[in-house]
Amino acid sequence: DIEMTQSPESLAVSLGERATINCKSSQSVLYTSNNKNYLAWYQQKPGQPPKLLIYWASRRASGVPDRFSGSGSGTDFTLTISSLQAEDVAVYYCQQYHTIPPITFGQGTRLELK
Amino acid sequence: QEQLVESGGGLVEPGGSLRLSCVASGFSFSDYYMSWIRQAPGKGLEWVSFISGSGSTIYYADSLKGRFTVSRDNAKNSLFLQMTRLRADDTAFYYCARSGWLTEFDFWGRGTLVTVSS
Repeated sequence: DIEMTQSPESLAVSLGERATINCKSSQSVLYTSNNKNYLAWYQQKPGQPPKLLIYWASRRASGVPDRFSGSGSGTDFTLTISSLQAEDVAVYYCQQYHTIPPITFGQGTRLELK
Repeated sequence: QEQLVESGGGLVEPGGSLRLSCVASGFSFSDYYMSWIRQAPGKGLEWVSFISGSGSTIYYADSLKGRFTVSRDNAKNSLFLQMTRLRADDTAFYYCARSGWLTEFDFWGRGTLVTVSS
């Protein structure tokens, strides 16, 4: 099984500042045949289901603001919010879909306003 | 407009059974793989089960140990999760979500709450 580990567990950032969340997989999620990293990021606000933000590690889902970006390859990935807005307060999860079953998620990172 | 609507959750005693449903609309249901993903209150996301568009490929999380069965009825645009021998640690919101083969979950339902308690 591929284990996903996020850091930090929680993060407090001021409005307009940068937020960075890390995700590490226990095995590479890169398929060299197509050079794609099989990793996604989700945002979950209180009382709501998760919402897809990023797929293939760096591609923004439809309608996602460009202040959200994903980077990384192999086993180390980062979700960056370039200028934090109040509506970005949420829990963020990474997920690998390289090797299934099982489909695995990180434990989540809680993002709060400082 | 794409929609996934779960139902069937509720309060059940330990050892009991429950059947969850997820009805899809606004997209070609049979073209998509579907998963059940659960979230215990205040906890993270845990993948439960995965079924291909035709229903021919099915996976489960090892932790379920044969207690849950996933199925789908493409004629009714519906996904199901039959849960048996329920335990307190099965208490969670259960979400259905769609994906492709080895792709992200691009759309989720709002979930249905299952509470296992005496």
